[in-house]
Amino acid sequence: DTGVSQNPRHKITKRGQNVTFRCDPISEHNRLYWYRQTLGQGPEFLTYFQNEAQLEKSRLLSDRFSAERPKGSFSTLEIQRTEQGDSAMYLCASSSRTGNTEAFFGQGTRLTVV
Amino acid sequence: AQKITQTQPGMFVQEKEAVTLDCTYDTSDPSYGLFWYKQPSSGEMIFLIYQGSYDQQNATEGRYSLNFQKARKSANLVISASQLGDSAMYFCAMREGPNYGQNFVFGPGTRLSVLP
Repeated sequence: DTGVSQNPRHKITKRGQNVTFRCDPISEHNRLYWYRQTLGQGPEFLTYFQNEAQLEKSRLLSDRFSAERPKGSFSTLEIQRTEQGDSAMYLCASSSRTGNTEAFFGQGTRLTVV
Repeated sequence: AQKITQTQPGMFVQEKEAVTLDCTYDTSDPSYGLFWYKQPSSGEMIFLIYQGSYDQQNATEGRYSLNFQKARKSANLVISASQLGDSAMYFCAMREGPNYGQNFVFGPGTRLSVLP
C-alpha cells in the first residue's frame, strides 16, 4: 500500500501525559500537513512541511505541540502535557510540490485524553 | 474572516436525484485551487474533484461536477444520480498562492443524507 499511513490509529492517554503520533506520507510527496479535526467540524490546519523544513505553523499549535520531519520523509507530532481539549482526530496529509494536486490523507489518529 | 463558507450544515436527497452542495470562498490571490473531499463515517478523507482558478471549464469527475462561478467566488459541488453510499460529510477546501504554496483551508462541511 502506497497511501499515507498514520500510527497509532487510536490512542487513549491520561491528562498530563505526552503522546507522539507518526505519519508516513506517500513516498514521492515532499509536502506534509498535519490537521486536527473535532467532531462535526472541518479539519483545522496545524502545520506543514516542505521536505524537512517546517514552513508554516498555526497559532493553534501551542508550545505543547511540536512536529518534526527530520529527513523529509516521515513526520512525528508530539503533544506534551496533554489536556482534555486535545481530544480529537489528528490527520496527516501529503501532496506533491506542483500546484494543482490534491492532498492525500491518512486515516488519522484518534486521541482521547481522560 | 472565514475563507471557506459552507452554509448548509445538513442536506437530504432522494436516491437517484441530483444534489448541489454550496461552497463560497474568500481570497485576494489570483492563483488558487478549490477541492472537494468526502468523509464517510469511517473517517477517511476522500478526494473528489479539483478546480483551478485559471481553469476555463467546470471540472467533472464521474458523477461529480463543480459549478465554478469565479466572479461570485463560489464552487458548488453537484452530485448526480445520488446513491446511498454518498451519505457522508462533504468538505470544500482551498489552497492559495503561486504553486499553491500554502496549506489547505477547509470549510465546516455539509452532512449529506441520501434517502432510499
